[in-house]
Amino acid sequence: EDQVTQSPEALRLQEGESSSLNCSYTVSGLRGLFWYRQDPGKGPEFLFTLYSAGEEKEKERLKATLTKKESFLHITAPKPEDSATYLCAVRQGAQKLVFGQGTRLTINP
Amino acid sequence: GAVVSQHPSWVICKSGTSVKIECRSLDFQATTMFWYRQFPKQSLMLMATSNEGSKATYEQGVEKDKFLINHASLTLSTLTVTSAHPEDSSFYICSARETSYEQYFGPGTRLTVT
Repeated sequence: EDQVTQSPEALRLQEGESSSLNCSYTVSGLRGLFWYRQDPGKGPEFLFTLYSAGEEKEKERLKATLTKKESFLHITAPKPEDSATYLCAVRQGAQKLVFGQGTRLTINP
Repeated sequence: GAVVSQHPSWVICKSGTSVKIECRSLDFQATTMFWYRQFPKQSLMLMATSNEGSKATYEQGVEKDKFLINHASLTLSTLTVTSAHPEDSSFYICSARETSYEQYFGPGTRLTVT
């Protein structure tokens, strides 16, 4: 059964303090790993898709990387507006997404 | 691009009544639309997948007679919660995909059943 586990569950950082969020996955043949950002009371916002080990993608202060067993979302010099829940998902079957439980990130000014 | 809207953003209804939620892809034609449910501080739970013009595919444990899904066009899907009860109170979110596998999510609908 495909599984996605995110850690830590919650992370509190000071503004400017870089860190990484982890997404470990167990799938039979990865066909896409997705990162989303979700603000309270809103729908998830698409960030990145990664397909193969070694792939990296960047957007502003965020960089996503992928290995054969896990993905990392690196946050460099975060700002308070980066506070959100970050969700990781893998594609299951033709088009379904299996989501992890998310990491609640808080950036203190 | 890839904007998905939902209406209403929040709704309060009385127990036993039905409520309809609309999901629209505004700037693309959605090959497939998905409906999710999310409880506080929990992740998204897929309820059903729908393709335009065909019956929705429901996830195990989701009552198809209670959660009616209609995907009438390539830009519109509706979720009707029939005979709603307080336990149906939740945050309902739709998503849509075009030809790639990224799903783009709507802003969500907060349903409260009193």
